[in-house]
Amino acid sequence: ETGVTQTPRHLVMGMTNKKSLKCEQHLGHNAMYWYKQSAKKPLELMFVYNFKEQTENNSVPSRFSPECPNSSHLFLHLHTLQPEDSALYLCASSQDLTSSSYNSPLHFGNGTRLTVT
Amino acid sequence: QKEVEQDPGPLSVPEGAIVSLNCTYSNSAFQYFMWYRQYSRKGPELLMYTYSSGNKEDGRFTAQVDKSSKYISLFIRDSQPSDSATYLCARPLTDSNYQLIWGAGTKLIIKP
Repeated sequence: ETGVTQTPRHLVMGMTNKKSLKCEQHLGHNAMYWYKQSAKKPLELMFVYNFKEQTENNSVPSRFSPECPNSSHLFLHLHTLQPEDSALYLCASSQDLTSSSYNSPLHFGNGTRLTVT
Repeated sequence: QKEVEQDPGPLSVPEGAIVSLNCTYSNSAFQYFMWYRQYSRKGPELLMYTYSSGNKEDGRFTAQVDKSSKYISLFIRDSQPSDSATYLCARPLTDSNYQLIWGAGTKLIIKP
């Protein structure tokens, strides 16, 4: 496989459930990201990892918990979500964080469409 | 005030038309901007980037920055149905920073 792979593609969960989103990249990149994409809103950066170390947490509620066991894998653990958390969750990777955005562009997965009922 | 603004569309044009997609921005301290393209049910992908000092052409696509009016444009010549997608513009938080400030995207539909 190549690129950035996200599973599952679709997820429906109740507010009391616990679920996890998985992301895997086969590009040899060192930085990985979680973004939230809601309809007609700009992409929201949630978390950033560089060489497995979390470097960014953009005031994300604690009901979202990221995990990065190695540079190729990224998880987003979900618990007690709210209906307003329904969105497309995108994982991305880039070579590193030291270069400008155009030198080290983001490579996105196809996202997990999350619906919270 | 939003940092980067885009008309969400949808913008619907016939095949072969010249398409103009636009973004406005509020902070002019940056040297480059990017356009990402997102097909339906896919993640965004980098289409092209351009410095704020002029135009950049890549095949049928031209990116243009007008610093005086704080306007970023993407032109598509000889538009094709395969160009139907959402186009996102973005600028870096700072020129050397990996973080991006995104527009909300414009949905483009090219009718055969």
